[in-house]
Amino acid sequence: GQQVQQSPASLVLQEGENAELQCNFSSTATQLQWFYQRPGGSLVSLLYNPSGTKHTGRLTSTTVTKERRSSLHISSSQITDSGTYFCAMEQGTGSELSFGKGAKLTVSP
Amino acid sequence: NAGVIQTPRHKVTGKGQEATLWCEPISGHSAVFWYRQTIVQGLEFLTYFRNQAPIDDSGMPKERFSAQMPNQSHSTLKIQSTQPQDSAVYLCASSLDHSQNTLYFGAGTRLSVL
Repeated sequence: GQQVQQSPASLVLQEGENAELQCNFSSTATQLQWFYQRPGGSLVSLLYNPSGTKHTGRLTSTTVTKERRSSLHISSSQITDSGTYFCAMEQGTGSELSFGKGAKLTVSP
Repeated sequence: NAGVIQTPRHKVTGKGQEATLWCEPISGHSAVFWYRQTIVQGLEFLTYFRNQAPIDDSGMPKERFSAQMPNQSHSTLKIQSTQPQDSAVYLCASSLDHSQNTLYFGAGTRLSVL
């Protein structure tokens, strides 16, 4: 099945610094998405980006399909950005998502 | 739109008891997914339905787990003879169609098996 690897596993930043999260996958990306989960909270879809570059607010995702990687860049991080970020992609057309183990981001004042 | 509703939020069972978890998808969404989340294993797919029909249950432990979707407004996940290793957060998600770029998750049910 699809293997999704995320790095780093955890990241500690000071408020205002930028974060760069990486996702590598074992086969051609389909339906690649980034999700966010606040501690004790539900998963929220941040960006759907199977290829190319997508922006929303302070978030930028770049997916290079032929290199089997995607990144999520968070600019000017805020304390409220703290939580776990997951990369996920479909096993095949119209099937379930496979998730990475997540990247725990901690933003301190 | 109240989002995906899961009940109960927390459930504690004794080893060997049965647990039933409920999910109400967003109205109009045709696909419903169940996942399990633990610290060790991360997020694991269990099963999904499309237009109430079971499509893929490859992630379900076959012996004690079962899922149903009797109508478009709710799905249930039943675990018989619960074991401590079943302790996890069970997440339900729904999407407008099988394309998962519109996937919405519920808050989850935290199951603790003592």
